[in-house]
Amino acid sequence: SQQGEEDPQALSIQEGENATMNCSYKTSINNLQWYRQNSGRGLVHLILIRSNEREKHSGRLRVTLDTSKKSSSLLITASRAADTASYFCATDAYSGAGSYQLTFGKGTKLSVIP
Amino acid sequence: GAGVSQSPSNKVTEKGKDVELRCDPISGHTALYWYRQSLGQGLEFLIYFQGNSAPDKSGLPSDRFSAERTGGSVSTLTIQRTQQEDSAVYLCASSSGTAKANYGYTFGSGTRLTVV
Repeated sequence: SQQGEEDPQALSIQEGENATMNCSYKTSINNLQWYRQNSGRGLVHLILIRSNEREKHSGRLRVTLDTSKKSSSLLITASRAADTASYFCATDAYSGAGSYQLTFGKGTKLSVIP
Repeated sequence: GAGVSQSPSNKVTEKGKDVELRCDPISGHTALYWYRQSLGQGLEFLIYFQGNSAPDKSGLPSDRFSAERTGGSVSTLTIQRTQQEDSAVYLCASSSGTAKANYGYTFGSGTRLTVV
């Protein structure tokens, strides 16, 4: 099955710097979503970008999508210590029998140092 | 409710016992998903319910795993004869409409299952 693969696996930056995380996937998608997870529990939906969109913004978040390269990036500007978390990309695609499935990568662990 | 509620939040069980995990989705959300996350890993899809359609069970790892959704609302994930490799955080999510409608998922806080 297709899967989003994040890069890097871990990222450590100073507060105020920008953080960029990348995601690659394998097959055609309906949309791509980014989630944040604190302390290994519930995920929080950050942003969704549709397959016909190329860029989207939400506050300090900027997401790009390049369907020709099957890749996406998440940029967090002016990072804060509170942004420390794991970030996952997830690809939404048709999985057959009328069902759509959201498939997650293994995530990027971001540490923002005060 | 205001969010997706899962219970229990933590469960320790002996190998070989059966466990039931519960998920109460956001009211009105027709789609419900179960995922499993092992330590330091990504999310593994287990099962998907959409309205009254037959569930997509393609992610269930073995016949020891089953799930049901009663009345289009609350869902129960049952693991029979638990094994140590079943230890993980089990996450439930709900969404309005189908995924094709381009809605994000709302996740619960998960149930951390430990099989000893």
